Amino acid sequence: AQSVSQHNHHVILSEAASLELGCNYSYGGTVNLFWYVQYPGQHLQLLLKYFSGDPLVKGIKGFEAEFIKSKFSFNLRKPSVQWSDTAEYFCAVNGGGNQGGKLIFGQGTELSVKP
Amino acid sequence: DTAVSQTPKYLVTQMGNDKSIKCEQNLGHDTMYWYKQDSKKFLKIMFSYNNKELIINETVPNRFSPKSPDKAHLNLHINSLELGDSAVYFCASSLSRGFGELFFGEGSRLTVL
Repeated sequence: AQSVSQHNHHVILSEAASLELGCNYSYGGTVNLFWYVQYPGQHLQLLLKYFSGDPLVKGIKGFEAEFIKSKFSFNLRKPSVQWSDTAEYFCAVNGGGNQGGKLIFGQGTELSVKP
Repeated sequence: DTAVSQTPKYLVTQMGNDKSIKCEQNLGHDTMYWYKQDSKKFLKIMFSYNNKELIINETVPNRFSPKSPDKAHLNLHINSLELGDSAVYFCASSLSRGFGELFFGEGSRLTVL
């Protein structure tokens, strides 16, 4: 069965610090990978996605992620965080049509950015 | 114009009651989903419909019954509500049942007293 593991439960950073959130998945087949963000009290919004091609993908708001197939990882990075990045971040994997297209989510990482 | 809309946004009810949450998407997508987010923010798939056909039915009590009258709508009915049903329920849609991204609604926060 597919699973997604996010290494950090709660990360606290000061503004301008660099961010890296870890994500590992387990699935032997072709996958699509996603990072979603959930701002306090809001719904999930897509930050970025990897389908194929360049393993370094860039998303909105200065976020990027790197897909390393050999490590089954898809870590999220941002060079300099802002207070407005305070949110819950979810990594997710989609195993395709035979899985019904469902996304399997990691347990989430809460990011708190201090001004 | 909201792409995936859910009603109600908040729902407070007593144990044992029956309630429904409605979801509509105007994106022209074929596939719709219900996810449950618990108090620890963990998101778990409950159901998925593809063009009105049930394609995912995870381990969910049969008190939960989804209904899709057409591919733009997916409703969730819950019978005999229990305290443990308190959560945020998110509706989502995707273009098809393949690899695409999901678009989420704003969530319906259910509180069972």
